[in-house]
Amino acid sequence: DGGITQSPKYLFRKEGQNVTLSCEQNLNHDAMYWYRQDPGQGLRLIYYSQIVNDFQKGDIAEGYSVSREKKESFPLTVTSAQKNPTAFYLCASSPYALQGAEGRGYTFGSGTRLTVV
Amino acid sequence: SQQGEEDPQALSIQEGENATMNCSYKTSINNLQWYRQNSGRGLVHLILIRSNEREKHSGRLRVTLDTSKKSSSLLITASRAADTASYFCATVRTGANNLFFGTGTRLTVIP
Repeated sequence: DGGITQSPKYLFRKEGQNVTLSCEQNLNHDAMYWYRQDPGQGLRLIYYSQIVNDFQKGDIAEGYSVSREKKESFPLTVTSAQKNPTAFYLCASSPYALQGAEGRGYTFGSGTRLTVV
Repeated sequence: SQQGEEDPQALSIQEGENATMNCSYKTSINNLQWYRQNSGRGLVHLILIRSNEREKHSGRLRVTLDTSKKSSSLLITASRAADTASYFCATVRTGANNLFFGTGTRLTVIP
C-alpha cells in the first residue's frame, strides 16, 4: 500500500544535540512538507519541497534544516539552535507542487513526537 | 502564521446528533480543505471545496464556503462515537504552494 512513513514514532533529544526525523513516501508525489504541532495550536509549516534538490522555508524554519536528495525522502534535522523543539512533527506530501492537490488534499504520515530530556 | 481559526474550540454532543464546526480565514484562497486528526495520529483529508463552489457533500459530511465572509462550515450528520477527533480547516492561499491550517475544533461524540 502506498503511503508516508515517519520514523521514529518517539524521539528523545538531549540539550545541544541534533536529531534527524525521517519521512519516506512511495506515492510518487512531487511535493513534501514538514509541519510542527504544539498543544492547542494548529499546524505550522517548517519547510516544504516542490521538487528534488529544492526546498523553501515555511513560517518557522529557524533551528531546522532539510534535504531533498531523492523524490521519496525528505528528512528534517532539528538542530541545537532550536530552543524549544518539544512538539509533534508531521510530514505530508501532495502530487502537485502548486495550489495543493486538487480534489485529494495532502497525505500525512503518523507523526514523530520529539521530547527534550 | 496560521491562516484561520475554527469555532468552537471544543464541542461535545450525543451520538446521533449533528455537529457543526466553523472556520474563518484571512486572505483570498484557491481552495479550502477539512482534515480530521485522531489523538496522537496524522491528519486525514476529508473534503476539498474550491473557491468557486458554495457547497459540497461527501457521505455524512457537508461543507459550505462563503468567500465574501471568508468562512466555511463543516456539518457532520448523525454523528457516531468514532467521529470523536480534532477537525482542522486548511486553506491554499491564492498564489501559494502549501496549506495553512486553522487551530482546530475538538469534537467529542458521547455514545
